[in-house]
Amino acid sequence: QSVLTQPPSASGTPGQRVTISCSGSTSNIGSKIVNWYQQLPGTAPKLLIYSNDQRPSGVPDRFSGSKSGTSASLAISGLQSEDEADYYCAAWDDSLSAYVFGTGTKVTVL
Amino acid sequence: EVQLLESGGNLIQPGGSLRLSCAASGFTFSGYGMSWVRQAPGKGLEWVSAISGSGGSTYYADSVKGRFTISRDNSKNTLYLQMNSLRAEDTAVYYCGRKQDRPPGIAVAARGDDYWGQGTLVIVSS
Repeated sequence: QSVLTQPPSASGTPGQRVTISCSGSTSNIGSKIVNWYQQLPGTAPKLLIYSNDQRPSGVPDRFSGSKSGTSASLAISGLQSEDEADYYCAAWDDSLSAYVFGTGTKVTVL
Repeated sequence: EVQLLESGGNLIQPGGSLRLSCAASGFTFSGYGMSWVRQAPGKGLEWVSAISGSGGSTYYADSVKGRFTISRDNSKNTLYLQMNSLRAEDTAVYYCGRKQDRPPGIAVAARGDDYWGQGTLVIVSS
């Protein structure tokens, strides 16, 4: 099992704000940058947030990231139907000497 | 336009070997670290391996260490993953990814993957 724990699911209606948590430890989130990925059904992952809170060009500002201590969060504001996807956090883990992905969260737009 | 195209996926018997390739175009290949990430059917993402732009530094997940080897040929703009002693649990779609060139001061393997290929399917079964 992954050392980064996410809730298996999250949901909201169009326009709502949804937040996804990612819980880790001092060997990963607590001391390393966090990246977030979006994976639409049947497609390759896409980098959504890097270095805790930075958006790559082209990513809407509805998506935001934050980090505090050994936890990180991804927020989606103004939820849209096209945001239905799986979301993964990721970070380097010094204890494992490995890049680890979170367990993943499926976002459903009701 | 950045493009990554994986190939080499196949049905292979347990204990067999396979080499995956990832052909890159649209950027200066040698200037970027690269990675392999896999996804078993119906499961989440699992990081497999990463390599620096020069090829001088490599990193592996414990689940593949000693069995898989990542390498690159910068003259051919191609990334490889040599997979030996394959097991049923290696069955997955394998994606190659390009590591970002930022932020500075952060190890390549820790950076985000900003471009991905479409994936190639490896099935290990008798």
